Amino acid sequence: KQEVTQIPAALSVPEGENLVLNCSFTDSAIYNLQWFRQDPGKGLTSLLLIQSSQREQTSGRLNASLDKSSGRSTLYIAASQPGDSATYLCAVHPQGGSEKLVFGKGTKLTVNP
Amino acid sequence: DGGITQSPKYLFRKEGQNVTLSCEQNLNHDAMYWYRQDPGQGLRLIYYSQIVNDFQKGDIAEGYSVSREKKESFPLTVTSAQKNPTAFYLCASSTGLNTEAFFGQGTRLTVV
Repeated sequence: KQEVTQIPAALSVPEGENLVLNCSFTDSAIYNLQWFRQDPGKGLTSLLLIQSSQREQTSGRLNASLDKSSGRSTLYIAASQPGDSATYLCAVHPQGGSEKLVFGKGTKLTVNP
Repeated sequence: DGGITQSPKYLFRKEGQNVTLSCEQNLNHDAMYWYRQDPGQGLRLIYYSQIVNDFQKGDIAEGYSVSREKKESFPLTVTSAQKNPTAFYLCASSTGLNTEAFFGQGTRLTVV
């Protein structure tokens, strides 16, 4: 059974710092991995989707990497801003089985001014 | 604007009542999903639908029902059989299974 883990559960950094959020998954047989952002009381906003054949994807100050063989993904945020404060979730699409996204519990990021 | 619309944003239900949560999308997506989110837990899949008039149970379907009569709409009914319905409910859609998923803004259901 695929399991997704995000460590740490919470992270607090000063404004301007570059930071890395981690995501690990137990089964490397995936179609893709998706990173989301969730603000309090809101839905999920898709940030980046990495296909299993890709190593990384970039969008603005965000860069996501994927090492499928080791079951790891990272989300790099450059020059963090207070507006980046949110919970970041990663999810994988496992191959075979029920064809559903499997989510981690998220990392709650606070960027202090 | 294209997107997914969930309504209402907040919903209060008395014990023993059924309630229906609305989810509409204008993205022309074939697949739609319902997830439940509880504090300290990851998102859990309730039901999903790959195509009109077809849907499948997810991990926690007991006490819930859905219909998919139109491509744009995937309403979720929380029945009185659901023992702990207070939660944040999220609807999502994608062009197909295993493609990028997009989410609505959620409905917070509270049983009073």
